[in-house]
Amino acid sequence: DAGITQSPRYKITETGRQVTLMCHQTWSHSYMFWYRQDLGHGLRLIYYSAAADITDKGEVPDGYVVSRSKTENFPLTLESATRSQTSVYFCASSEWGGGPSETQYFGPGTRLLVL
Amino acid sequence: RKEVEQDPGPFNVPEGATVAFNCTYSNSASQSFFWYRQDCRKEPKLLMSVYSSGNEDGRFTAQLNRASQYISLLIRDSKLSDSATYLCVVRAGSGAGSYQLTFGKGTKLSVIP
Repeated sequence: DAGITQSPRYKITETGRQVTLMCHQTWSHSYMFWYRQDLGHGLRLIYYSAAADITDKGEVPDGYVVSRSKTENFPLTLESATRSQTSVYFCASSEWGGGPSETQYFGPGTRLLVL
Repeated sequence: RKEVEQDPGPFNVPEGATVAFNCTYSNSASQSFFWYRQDCRKEPKLLMSVYSSGNEDGRFTAQLNRASQYISLLIRDSKLSDSATYLCVVRAGSGAGSYQLTFGKGTKLSVIP
């Protein structure tokens, strides 16, 4: 189906382990984003990408790594998971250009628990 | 000061009521403004963009006051299905990273039968 998907939807891991969250979109949108959502903080941008092989840090990038070798995929890796990274992670995409194309479309989210 | 501030609520209103949400933003160079809706344990979805002249979409009316750096959302004739968290969202001005969105923490609405 067309759209933006995330996997896994739920993940439990242990402190110190590496975890990769996957994001895939079928619209060929140029821009992709990773957010985390925590109680009391709302949505905060972790990393974003303007195109394949172009990525940049957002508000809370520490402890995370991203890559974008293909336009449709934007994986997020927690190199060594910490309990503070327990959160709901949303991937989003948009086709930049102003107006309606500014809309960001969100994936269903990944709920990550770090023990 | 938080970049985008909203009253967290919750707002508990009866069906058919009119409810208004307010939002203030701190960056005077902000260019674009939106309201997103987020249902419990779901992803945010765009409800409507907010234009300088104000705009309406059915029962929903959004207004922007750039001088006061204030955005509002009015919902008329509330339905049970309007129960959700409403996120005020602002995009910064020109320059690097100007396509980044800043989200408020959201205002929770519960419409009661």
